[in-house]
Amino acid sequence: AQSVTQLDSHVSVSEGTPVLLRCNYSSSYSPSLFWYVQHPNKGLQLLLKYTSAATLVKGINGFEAEFKKSETSFHLTKPSAHMSDAAEYFCVVSAAGGSYIPTFGRGTSLIVHP
Amino acid sequence: GAVVSQHPSRVICKSGTSVKIECRSLDFQATTMFWYRQFPKQSLMLMATSNEGSKATYEQGVEKDKFLINHASLTLSTLTVTSAHPEDSSFYICSAHQGAGGNQPQHFGDGTRLSIL
Repeated sequence: AQSVTQLDSHVSVSEGTPVLLRCNYSSSYSPSLFWYVQHPNKGLQLLLKYTSAATLVKGINGFEAEFKKSETSFHLTKPSAHMSDAAEYFCVVSAAGGSYIPTFGRGTSLIVHP
Repeated sequence: GAVVSQHPSRVICKSGTSVKIECRSLDFQATTMFWYRQFPKQSLMLMATSNEGSKATYEQGVEKDKFLINHASLTLSTLTVTSAHPEDSSFYICSAHQGAGGNQPQHFGDGTRLSIL
């Protein structure tokens, strides 16, 4: 079994300040973890993925995430928010073993103030 | 990068009409495609998993006779909403899975906004 918990439904930051979107997971197998971004009325775009290689993963648009097994976390960060980062973000877990059907978190809406 | 094309992007039609949505992987072969439904301000709800050449696997509570899925080739899956009613209005998104195993990301189409009058 696997699950994903995105701890915040909304995160509000000012432009130029750091972003932290939190994600905790559970998985019976070694997990693969992904962050996706969705802009309004659009599909999802892959930001980054963790698949058992380096625990600090760098993605597109300046985002990165760190896999912490002891904390079962995969939080998404960015040093400096940009207005264009305002969107919905989804943390997703899947597993190489068992069913690899991905499980989505509920999503976190990132609001960026000028 | 891997590109998934979903068409149409928006459909407005009368109640009772059947609507077909196409999902194509343009530059890779997709052994598995997923169909999702997304309600406003909510996460994606998996409707079914579609494997090329076999019957789709539907999630609990999804009517397979209502939402017909065909995955005739490694690059095309279709979702047909049969005899659509206003409650079927939603945002439908497909994704294609490249290769096997959970360590591969999904590649998403841009979604279809379905509005039934």
